[in-house]
Amino acid sequence: DTAVSQTPKYLVTQMGNDKSIKCEQNLGHDTMYWYKQDSKKFLKIMFSYNNKELIINETVPNRFSPKSPDKAHLNLHINSLELGDSAVYFCASSHQQGFHEQYFGPGTRLTVT
Amino acid sequence: SQQGEEDPQALSIQEGENATMNCSYKTSINNLQWYRQNSGRGLVHLILIRSNEREKHSGRLRVTLDTSKKSSSLLITASRAADTASYFCATDNNDMRFGAGTRLTVKP
Repeated sequence: DTAVSQTPKYLVTQMGNDKSIKCEQNLGHDTMYWYKQDSKKFLKIMFSYNNKELIINETVPNRFSPKSPDKAHLNLHINSLELGDSAVYFCASSHQQGFHEQYFGPGTRLTVT
Repeated sequence: SQQGEEDPQALSIQEGENATMNCSYKTSINNLQWYRQNSGRGLVHLILIRSNEREKHSGRLRVTLDTSKKSSSLLITASRAADTASYFCATDNNDMRFGAGTRLTVKP
């Protein structure tokens, strides 16, 4: 009965590779997000999707691309991975965009070697 | 873009003591939320306070909001070792912005 799930939990890969992180929510929420948390614990929003439409696209490299096959899923694809991409990536969802509480997944720790 | 900034960055107290964390932000907001993050886990929503509210309680948590000073505080009373975590504030003006968090350690 997990609300927001992510796979994989850990991902170790080499520079230059392409990888994906999957996210699913079973809460019936309309909006999903991707966050990046760096080593200093600073949490930065990367993307949000509302009804399969991108509504926030922060200044992240275009190597990162969110893909939403349906309302319950928002996957994160990363091309040509770089050392600086190493971080913990969190998926989250909320009923609507705006001042609704967000439900976070457990995170995916990405290590690029 | 605006975001909450927590203060202090780290706080260490004994079990049973109260813990106070502060959050400052820069522009007007619709609401402010506090989240907790246990080590290696995702964030968990604690409490939401709207811009027209000044104080809100939830169990051992007390949140205040001073819009004139653009600041909020989170008070955890009678702290427990299980309260050890990082605490984030998030401000929202059409989207969410998080700070870097306050790392709270409660010693048994």
